[in-house]
Amino acid sequence: AQSVTQLGSHVSVSEGALVLLRCNYSSSVPPYLFWYVQYPNQGLQLLLKYTSAATLVKGINGFEAEFKKSETSFHLTKPSAHMSDAAEYFCAVSSPARDDKIIFGKGTRLHILP
Amino acid sequence: GAVVSQHPSRVICKSGTSVKIECRSLDFQATTMFWYRQFPKKSLMLMATSNEGSKATYEQGVEKDKFLINHASLTLSTLTVTSAHPEDSSFYICSASLSTDTQYFGPGTRLTVL
Repeated sequence: AQSVTQLGSHVSVSEGALVLLRCNYSSSVPPYLFWYVQYPNQGLQLLLKYTSAATLVKGINGFEAEFKKSETSFHLTKPSAHMSDAAEYFCAVSSPARDDKIIFGKGTRLHILP
Repeated sequence: GAVVSQHPSRVICKSGTSVKIECRSLDFQATTMFWYRQFPKKSLMLMATSNEGSKATYEQGVEKDKFLINHASLTLSTLTVTSAHPEDSSFYICSASLSTDTQYFGPGTRLTVL
């Protein structure tokens, strides 16, 4: 079975500081990994995805994530936080070798401090 | 980019009535659509996988007679919450699959059952 664990339900960083949102996954087959962002009362927007190509994945809005198989991690980073980054972030995993289902983590609320 | 719409965005209904939520892929054909439910401050819970022309596959614990899903065409899937009760109040999100590594999410529908 697949699962995703996001460490920290809330993360606060100062504007301009490094953003680091942690995600660890569990999968018995090569996974696809995703980060989604959700603004209040809206659906999900894909930030980036890992699909077995380059381990360092660059996404939209300056975010990037690195797939580390040895650590079963897929942490999301951004060098300099902006106020508009305040949102809920979800890490997710799927195994296309089996089906298209995406399993989501519980989410991390990112707060940006002025 | 691929766009998925949901209608309505918000609905308030009386207990005991049924509510239909539509999910449309506007500029692509989606053989598979997914329905999720999101509880306040929680992650997304996959309810069912909907394939065009066939019966939906429900996740464990989801009542198929309660949540009726119809995938009538390659661009439309509907979720009907039958005999709604206050505990059915939630944020319902659909997604449409363009490929095995890409799902596009709708903006969500906020259901409030009085």
